[in-house]
Amino acid sequence: EPEVTQTPSHQVTQMGQEVILRCVPISNHLYFYWYRQILGQKVEFLVSFYNNEISEKSEIFDDQFSVERPDGSNFTLKIRSTKLEDSAMYFCASSEVGGISTDTQYFGPGTRLTVL
Amino acid sequence: GQSLEQPSEVTAVEGAIVQINCTYQTSGFYGLSWYQQHDGGAPTFLSYNALDGLEETGRFSSFLSRSDSYGYLLLQELQMKDSASYFCAVRDRLDNQGGKLIFGQGTELSVKP
Repeated sequence: EPEVTQTPSHQVTQMGQEVILRCVPISNHLYFYWYRQILGQKVEFLVSFYNNEISEKSEIFDDQFSVERPDGSNFTLKIRSTKLEDSAMYFCASSEVGGISTDTQYFGPGTRLTVL
Repeated sequence: GQSLEQPSEVTAVEGAIVQINCTYQTSGFYGLSWYQQHDGGAPTFLSYNALDGLEETGRFSSFLSRSDSYGYLLLQELQMKDSASYFCAVRDRLDNQGGKLIFGQGTELSVKP
């Protein structure tokens, strides 16, 4: 069964450093999302991406964040200058079509980001 | 604001039935989904309701009442492997740009022998 994959599974970085989290969505999916989950808290939306551009972003997704689809398979989240409060699990998700209510978002296994 | 309320934890025994409630208040509503998460791993899709009523998928059922802004997930014949966190999530828009999921805080289900 097709699945969303993410690398790395765990990333440790120093405050102020740049990190890039990578995702490979399911191959025939067109809509891509990043969510994050701080330990013990709910899953929070960061950004959605369709047709090579951001379609929606949350207040969390400030100028330090960016997303890119550098080729036909990868979808990346970059944090330019990490802060302690960026420590969280970051989930990538994808869906086949976005314009119908029954469309399901499939989540990857996540990247645990630890900022020291 | 946008909020989804669900109990923080529920405990039940193997073989029992448990119901996890979710009430929501969102700017838009295009369906209520339920996800399961084991030990902080990937949220896994369980069920979806766009219209009022009950949807059944094996041991899991989900119910929605849009007039009450309320839904629940029903788990029957509980098994130890059902111990996990369960999240309700609302999709708040419906257009060709996609639609984010707004999640509740999650309910931690503990199944005891």
